[in-house]
Amino acid sequence: QQQVKQSPQSLIVQKGGISIINCAYENTAFDYFPWYQQFPGKGPALLIAIRPDVSEKKEGRFTISFNKSAKQFSLHIMDSQPGDSATYFCAASIRGTYKYIFGTGTRLKVLA
Amino acid sequence: SAVISQKPSRDICQRGTSLTIQCQVDSQVTMMFWYRQQPGQSLTLIATANQGSEATYESGFVIDKFPISRPNLTFSTLTVSNMSPEDSSIYLCSVSLAGTYEQYFGPGTRLTVT
Repeated sequence: QQQVKQSPQSLIVQKGGISIINCAYENTAFDYFPWYQQFPGKGPALLIAIRPDVSEKKEGRFTISFNKSAKQFSLHIMDSQPGDSATYFCAASIRGTYKYIFGTGTRLKVLA
Repeated sequence: SAVISQKPSRDICQRGTSLTIQCQVDSQVTMMFWYRQQPGQSLTLIATANQGSEATYESGFVIDKFPISRPNLTFSTLTVSNMSPEDSSIYLCSVSLAGTYEQYFGPGTRLTVT
């Protein structure tokens, strides 16, 4: 119940395309859902986050869609660029703990 | 946000020895966490570093193996004790500012145990 399932494991997208990464969870005690971007040799960087009372949040080219009833959330990267090539992690925080459970990661490659 | 530094950035250690990793933040933060990221894998929370008291460890991690200190609101250390090759990982410090769920990560310490 503490897991966050992430898919796909890897993704190849053409430049200018839309990258979509999905996550699903079971534990209804999760109440904060961030996405992180990690380049090789670097620490994860916070991209965007959402709470379950909001169905969508957009920041620049990055959008989170959240489906509370289905217990699913996804990251959409619009107009994907080669510089977006990185590993992306979704995460979920248990209400009141501030602790994160991370998804397994998606390795994104954007072709020039 | 917060700026986080870790020392060392990488190290190669002999089996059976110990390594202490330092995490320094540029501002006072409420929560500090230590994660492990094995090569090509996701992040796993080791423990929450509590200021002035013992750290809170997650299932599968024990204080004897991963002693943690947090003497003040801007600094913490993680020691990896009696190392084996299975401890080869990236160790990451993260912080959360007061009243927020956002976590900011340091650059990580890449540890190789031979």
